Amino acid sequence: DIQMTQSPSSLSASVGDRVTITCRASQSISTYLNWYQQKPGKAPKVLIYAASRLQSGVPSRFSGSGSGTYFTLTISSLQPEDFATYYCQQSYSLPMYTFGQGTKLEIK
Amino acid sequence: EVQLEESGGGLVRPGGSLTLSCAASGFTVSGYTIYWVRQDVGRGLEWVASISSSGAYIDYADSVRGRFTISRDNARNSVHLQMNSLRADDSATFFCARHFRAPSGSLHYYFMDVWGIGTTVTVSS
Repeated sequence: DIQMTQSPSSLSASVGDRVTITCRASQSISTYLNWYQQKPGKAPKVLIYAASRLQSGVPSRFSGSGSGTYFTLTISSLQPEDFATYYCQQSYSLPMYTFGQGTKLEIK
Repeated sequence: EVQLEESGGGLVRPGGSLTLSCAASGFTVSGYTIYWVRQDVGRGLEWVASISSSGAYIDYADSVRGRFTISRDNARNSVHLQMNSLRADDSATFFCARHFRAPSGSLHYYFMDVWGIGTTVTVSS
């Protein structure tokens, strides 16, 4: 199984900050990497697919990069609605999607 | 509007059974692979089972294989997850999600583009 490891597990930041979350895969997954945002009591929402492609309707302050085993999600200028938990997900070894453990982004 | 809605969760004793349903609206489930994903505090998000658009390809996580059965009901535009021999560590919120394929040249990328709001299963005596 492909293991996905995110860091940090939690992060405190302020509105307007630039933040970066990292995700590492236990083996190369090319660019088969997705990022999701989840708010309390809600389902995950896809932000980025194919490592760097912005899903329709997602603000451009979100961006993704990486390939192989190392990936990043960057929010260029945090907005109040961005405080949530973020998950990476590999789609290389379908149907066995695996997710990272999540990064909780909190208000400083 | 494209939506999924889960139902059927609840409290069940260890060893018991429960059937979850995932009803689609705004699209036809027979055109998509549908996934069940569960989430609890300890294990985070975990893929549970999937059924292809034709129903020909069905897969399960090792943790549920032999105990859970996924099926689709095209007439009712829904997917079901029958869960038997439930254990305490099956307690979680269960989501169904639509599997979307995004073409990119000669490649395809996959992600879950539509999710339900989830239904909670608690296994406890």
